[in-house]
Amino acid sequence: EVQLVESGGGLVQPGGSLKLSCAASGFTFSGSAMHWVRQAPGKGLESIGRIRSKANSYATVYAASVKGRFTISRDDSKKTVYLQMNNLTIEDTAVYYCTRPNGNLPEGFDPWGQGTLVTVSS
Amino acid sequence: QSVLAQPPSASGTPGQRVTISCSGSSSNIGSNYVYWYQQFPGTAPRLLIYRNNQRPPGVPDRFSGSKSGTSASLAISGLRSEDEADYYCAAWDDSLSGLVVFGGGTKLTAL
Repeated sequence: EVQLVESGGGLVQPGGSLKLSCAASGFTFSGSAMHWVRQAPGKGLESIGRIRSKANSYATVYAASVKGRFTISRDDSKKTVYLQMNNLTIEDTAVYYCTRPNGNLPEGFDPWGQGTLVTVSS
Repeated sequence: QSVLAQPPSASGTPGQRVTISCSGSSSNIGSNYVYWYQQFPGTAPRLLIYRNNQRPPGVPDRFSGSKSGTSASLAISGLRSEDEADYYCAAWDDSLSGLVVFGGGTKLTAL
């Protein structure tokens, strides 16, 4: 079964840092780009960044709202993608999902992880 | 403010046909495929339509998608109460170097 499981969310103060993880199983992780999408409480979906595969030089791209503060990385040996979040603000409060473009359903995001909640508050 | 524009709400009676619109620009919908996601409260989104009008396995044929120019729409025929959910359109955006843009979402209510 293709599965993504996020972890690492929690409560953090403004200006703080947090690192999220997303563990993959059931597919060839090393060959897949991975994306992070967030959803603020009661709001819509926002794509915040992507990391490509080793074959594509692990290229990353970020949304303007997080560029310079968030960093996406991956460990193909652990089949895990990470989201390092620094200098967090209240506006970063959201459920964070990892997902991947499904080559069999080109290029829709499938599956999605269950999400992990990040709350930025003093 | 979402890049793709959707109506915040839509509704219909059971059995009715309902459509949800999605409007974008030449850099996203105008030059790339459109995707639709369904999300129930407290759960992760689920891919409903890919490449404008294709359904993943398991998605009922009551759901259909279409695209014309810089706009797209999702149609749900024979509306059921279990279709009550939020629906998001999405498209890759050529101006964002590999990121997807989403619509603001449409909350569908079965009256």
